[in-house]
Amino acid sequence: NAGVTQTPKFQVLKTGQSMTLQCAQDMNHEYMSWYRQDPGMGLRLIHYSVGAGITDQGEVPNGYNVSRSTTEDFPLRLLSAAPSQTSVYFCASSTLDRDSGNTIYFGEGSWLTVV
Amino acid sequence: LAKTTQPISMDSYEGQEVNITCSHNNIATNDYITWYQQFPSQGPRFIIQGYKTKVTNEVASLFIPADRKSSTLSLPRVSLSDTAVYYCLVGDLYVYMNYGGATNKLIFGTGTLLAVQP
Repeated sequence: NAGVTQTPKFQVLKTGQSMTLQCAQDMNHEYMSWYRQDPGMGLRLIHYSVGAGITDQGEVPNGYNVSRSTTEDFPLRLLSAAPSQTSVYFCASSTLDRDSGNTIYFGEGSWLTVV
Repeated sequence: LAKTTQPISMDSYEGQEVNITCSHNNIATNDYITWYQQFPSQGPRFIIQGYKTKVTNEVASLFIPADRKSSTLSLPRVSLSDTAVYYCLVGDLYVYMNYGGATNKLIFGTGTLLAVQP
């Protein structure tokens, strides 16, 4: 079972560079989201989506773009990387079925360092 | 938005029962209470979910009082491998996404670091 797959696992960027973190899920989940987690901190929501073509902002959206062209994929784009974006990024997905509650499935994380 | 409050850290010894309490005073009628476990360098993992009273699965129990303003995750006979951060999450994705509630986006709190010692 693949679940939620993130790539790359590790990435080093120079300030000002752009890049895309990839996220794919094979569970046909409507809801997908991106979180960032700084050292010793909890998870902060960046962007989320409830279906193809529908995205919205979370707590900390500045500096990031997302799109949802298919149900399976939800890429996160860093437009112009800054050292403050050094973090671990987690992609997550969930069904929106009434009886599922809040069972969210997370990927293994992408470690990003901006120098 | 159902804000949650948890202790920052807890210590325990192997074989003990551990209870972690989460406060959520403004929980909404439709909100579920869900607990996640996160090991270092890994994504959070679902542990247990409940709406009211008591829920038990193979790894934990969840106790929810009648007023639902708090919940307690109970881990029986912890081992060293239970050392992790535990997050309490309150909300209902179905309601928020289908009936509005743009301010409720399933935001995680800071979690509780459980350290189990030999």
